[in-house]
Amino acid sequence: GAVVSQHPSRVICKSGTSVKIECRSLDFQATTMFWYRQFPKQSLMLMATSNEGSKATYEQGVEKDKFLINHASLTLSTLTVTSAHPEDSSFYICSARDHRLLANEQFFGPGTRLTVL
Amino acid sequence: AQTVTQSQPEMSVQEAETVTLSCTYDTSESDYYLFWYKQPPSRQMILVIRQEAYKQQNATENRFSVNFQKAAKSFSLKISDSQLGDAAMYFCAVARSGNTGKLIFGQGTTLQVKP
Repeated sequence: GAVVSQHPSRVICKSGTSVKIECRSLDFQATTMFWYRQFPKQSLMLMATSNEGSKATYEQGVEKDKFLINHASLTLSTLTVTSAHPEDSSFYICSARDHRLLANEQFFGPGTRLTVL
Repeated sequence: AQTVTQSQPEMSVQEAETVTLSCTYDTSESDYYLFWYKQPPSRQMILVIRQEAYKQQNATENRFSVNFQKAAKSFSLKISDSQLGDAAMYFCAVARSGNTGKLIFGQGTTLQVKP
């Protein structure tokens, strides 16, 4: 159990276009999902916390208008990178919390590699 | 604010031997959890072990165990009988308890396992 999927796994886009990444909890309901960004050989940097039915909470320094997050259902959160530029190229990972569990364990998706040309 | 420090960017171990990865953290929370995650080359994050801060007993999961020193804010991971499949990047993380508790990760330690 506790499987999280991400789609697409890889995406290449042109500079100036927008890209949407989906994060789904397949076998549990996730009222809270998290979006991370990871550069090669570096740690995961939390971008935002996504709460079902409400606005996302962004970490300091993350542009809300650049990285749009929508958590429309208990099993789906989306991250849209708007007007992407080469510096947005990175590995994006989502995670989800199963609130049935007492511990604050997060289950991670397999990640999405974004390349902006 | 919470911080996590992993002071060993890289470690190596001989297959079948034991290795310990270090982690220190800082938090003002009284109720929190500590985690070790593994990220293999596939980049899928995998939970290795979890420790509730209120528990004095060190968590153990098969070949993986932790040495949790709450007063020193230290949370090291010991891997016994290392296997080639243990080669990965390991991240230590802390999260305060509660629904919105977010994970704060350390910088990571890359573990190489030599045959």
